[in-house]
Amino acid sequence: GQNIDQPTEMTATEGAIVQINCTYQTSGFNGLFWYQQHAGEAPTFLSYNVLDGLEEKGRFSSFLSRSKGYSYLLLKELQMKDSASYLCAVMDSNYQLIWGAGTKLIIKP
Amino acid sequence: DAMVIQNPRYQVTQFGKPVTLSCSQTLNHNVMYWYQQKSSQAPKLLFHYYDKDFNNEADTPDNFQSRRPNTSFCFLDIRSPGLGDAAMYLCATSKNPGGADEQFFGPGTRLTVL
Repeated sequence: GQNIDQPTEMTATEGAIVQINCTYQTSGFNGLFWYQQHAGEAPTFLSYNVLDGLEEKGRFSSFLSRSKGYSYLLLKELQMKDSASYLCAVMDSNYQLIWGAGTKLIIKP
Repeated sequence: DAMVIQNPRYQVTQFGKPVTLSCSQTLNHNVMYWYQQKSSQAPKLLFHYYDKDFNNEADTPDNFQSRRPNTSFCFLDIRSPGLGDAAMYLCATSKNPGGADEQFFGPGTRLTVL
């Protein structure tokens, strides 16, 4: 079956760096997305990786290793507003998005 | 601003009473999606439309139906809501069905079943 694994919850301190990992087993691969979802709100797009390597976008970076079925989202200079759930999603060979359950990130002052 | 709009934001219905959720988009995207998301769970795809082509996920219950009368609008009908159907319902759009096109989400409708 198809599976996306990410930690349920993580805690970090304001101003610090945090890395949220995602591993996947899917039928084919057409890219990996990271979305941010604040409580009670809709997911918003953060990043897309389809080739191996690191994509940097401001304070957020996303890394992909297709051979390992692994990605991470790196958040730098954490702010209180970064408290949210971070969802990893993989597009499979049928161009369907397979979603992880999300990692709830708690930022402490 | 181009966007995805969902109405209502909060919907309360009674057990077994049909309910319709609506979604509209001003992005002129070809694909529209309906997801169900329960607390601390991944969004679960119920349906998607590529233009007028309807795609029903294999495990979507018959209790759920969808209509897309035109490019801009899409509706989710729940014929006989049960307590287990209480969830956030998310509408999303993308320009094309595959590749790097991100999905744009509406704010969601939170459904409560009494």
